[in-house]
Amino acid sequence: SYELTQPPSVSVSPGQTARITCSGDALPKKYAYWYQQKSGQAPVLVIYEDSKRPSGIPERFSGSSSGTMATLTISGAQVEDEADYYCYSTGVFGGGTKLTVL
Amino acid sequence: QVQLQESGPGLVKPSETLSLTCTVSGGSISSYYWSWIRQPPGKGLEWIGYIYYSGSTNYNPSLKSRVTISVDTSKNQFSLKLSSVTAADTAVYYCARGFRFGEPLDYYMDVWGKGTTVTVSS
Repeated sequence: SYELTQPPSVSVSPGQTARITCSGDALPKKYAYWYQQKSGQAPVLVIYEDSKRPSGIPERFSGSSSGTMATLTISGAQVEDEADYYCYSTGVFGGGTKLTVL
Repeated sequence: QVQLQESGPGLVKPSETLSLTCTVSGGSISSYYWSWIRQPPGKGLEWIGYIYYSGSTNYNPSLKSRVTISVDTSKNQFSLKLSSVTAADTAVYYCARGFRFGEPLDYYMDVWGKGTTVTVSS
């Protein structure tokens, strides 16, 4: 079955750039999406179609995709960005990455 | 702004059928796709399936034999039934609005409900 692979955790200091990767064999042909899930809350879409940002999502969130890897970048990460991040594509979620900002 | 609200029993016995409803407010259920996603305690997200307002469906192959998603456009609601549940089906269940383009799995969710916890236990 198809899988999307993410690192379990990423840690940065406030103001630094956080990069979360997602690898999958279908990503060269399929879009990647990114969801942010804060503790006890429902997921929120932060990036769609590899690199588009929904209205209301801060500009510090950006996405890119090249070959079999998609990347979520948070430029100047803030404490409030601490959350689990999930990539998604074609009915499959990655395992999630816990972002720590401290 | 569309909002989604899940409802249904919080406790289901093993081997029985889990039934949940999602009520859509602030917008019409027509012209969109509607999904169910679940998250076991302390684990990641799992897509269950989606339904178009016209009634066409697509399910996760790993759950397909036990899942039925239906829609009631007159009530602006859609529903999930999961049969023969076990403890492994204990999870927070989310409903979400989705968009589809191209092939059946070229699909993603944008607006989610807050989720409802379902525990499978005798």
